[in-house]
Amino acid sequence: KAGVTQTPRYLIKTRGQQVTLSCSPISGHRSVSWYQQTPGQGLQFLFEYFSETQRNKGNFPGRFSGRQFSNSRSEMNVSTLELGDSALYLCASLRDGQRNTEAFFGQGTRLTVV
Amino acid sequence: QQQVKQSPQSLIVQKGGISIINCAYENTAFDYFPWYQQFPGKGPALLIAIRPDVSEKKEGRFTISFNKSAKQFSLHIMDSQPGDSATYFCAASTGNQFYFGTGTSLTVIP
Repeated sequence: KAGVTQTPRYLIKTRGQQVTLSCSPISGHRSVSWYQQTPGQGLQFLFEYFSETQRNKGNFPGRFSGRQFSNSRSEMNVSTLELGDSALYLCASLRDGQRNTEAFFGQGTRLTVV
Repeated sequence: QQQVKQSPQSLIVQKGGISIINCAYENTAFDYFPWYQQFPGKGPALLIAIRPDVSEKKEGRFTISFNKSAKQFSLHIMDSQPGDSATYFCAASTGNQFYFGTGTSLTVIP
């Protein structure tokens, strides 16, 4: 079956702009999580959505937001971009209703803020 | 605050050697400890995972050793191959929220 699809793969934005990233999870998975990956920091948890509801949230400013649609596709939005937001943003999908199960990652969206 | 501490940051091993990556955690509520492998341009992929009720899990050349009392776990790659060259992340979770280490860049020299 198809894996996790993230679009776009690459983005270049100017400081102060906003950006929207998209993630389509594996068919049948209803949990979608977002992570920010930067060199030296590893993967930092942003938030998790399950059945259109934000279930968990990491320690990021309110400029980072997300949502999930009824088909489980998810978007994350970053407003008022800062240079430090440059990172690889990864989406992970998990089987719904299962605890501590494998997280399947997409290839990520590489965001560069100039 | 880094919930999972990983070392070393980078590792160079000869082909056929053993690669060892270590992780430590503080939160005793963690109950699932996966290791992910990431190649350049790709997302992380699950390599092997362990739950705290066992002390060791082996899958092929990959072994996780888990020490619950010390709150430490490690990944051992036996007979390391050039194709194992990648970045490895340990993680810990409770529920569906994962906390990742900062990663280890492994280079296996032919």
